[in-house]
Amino acid sequence: AQKVTQAQTEISVVEKEDVTLDCVYETRDTTYYLFWYKQPPSGELVFLIRRNSFDEQNEISGRYSWNFQKSTSSFNFTITASQVVDSAVYFCALSEALIQGAQKLVFGQGTRLTINP
Amino acid sequence: DTGVSQNPRHKITKRGQNVTFRCDPISEHNRLYWYRQTLGQGPEFLTYFQNEAQLEKSRLLSDRFSAERPKGSFSTLEIQRTEQGDSAMYLCASSPIFHTQYFGPGTRLTVL
Repeated sequence: AQKVTQAQTEISVVEKEDVTLDCVYETRDTTYYLFWYKQPPSGELVFLIRRNSFDEQNEISGRYSWNFQKSTSSFNFTITASQVVDSAVYFCALSEALIQGAQKLVFGQGTRLTINP
Repeated sequence: DTGVSQNPRHKITKRGQNVTFRCDPISEHNRLYWYRQTLGQGPEFLTYFQNEAQLEKSRLLSDRFSAERPKGSFSTLEIQRTEQGDSAMYLCASSPIFHTQYFGPGTRLTVL
C-alpha cells in the first residue's frame, strides 16, 4: 500500500529564514504522482505542485522549490526567505490508482510551519 | 468564484442525529472525491464519483454513511445516527480527467 511520511510534525523559524519540509514515500507503482498542498488556518487545502514519477527535474516557483529524488523516494519542499503568510500546515500526498484511471490521494500527517516575525 | 464549494461550513449535532453535507464541484469536473480529516492528521479518502457513478468506497465508509451525486453535478454525503467518532472535517475535491484534485473549504462536523 502507498505510504507517505512527513517526519517533521512542527517547524518554527524566524521570518526570512529558509526552511525545508521533508517528505518520504513508499509505493510499488512504477507510475505515480506526488503533490504538495498547503492548509492555512481557514482549512481549505490549496494545491501547490504536482510531479509525475518520470520527471525528476527540480522545480522552482518564486520562493518555492521542490526536490524530487526517486533514488531516496523523497519529495522535499523548500521555502526561501520565508514570510509570515507562509505559516500553515503543509501536506505531501501520493497518488494511488482507482478504477477507470482515477487516483485517490494518500496524505502524510502534515508539517505545521510557523513563521515568526 | 468558480472553486469547489461546500455547505454548511460548520455543523454541530447531537449523537444519534442524521446530518447531510453538500459539495458543488468546479463545473465540468467529472470526478468528485470525499475525504475525512481528523485533528492533527492528513485527509483520508472516503469515496469517489465519476459523473453520477460511485465507483470506489473506502472501508472507512461504514453503512451509516451514504453519498450521492445525482446527474453528475453536486454531491451529498449523509451520515445517519451520528457518533462522537464522526467528528471531523469533511473535505470534497473535484478534478478533470487528469489527476490534480482541487479541494473545497470543508465542512467541520462536531458531534456532542
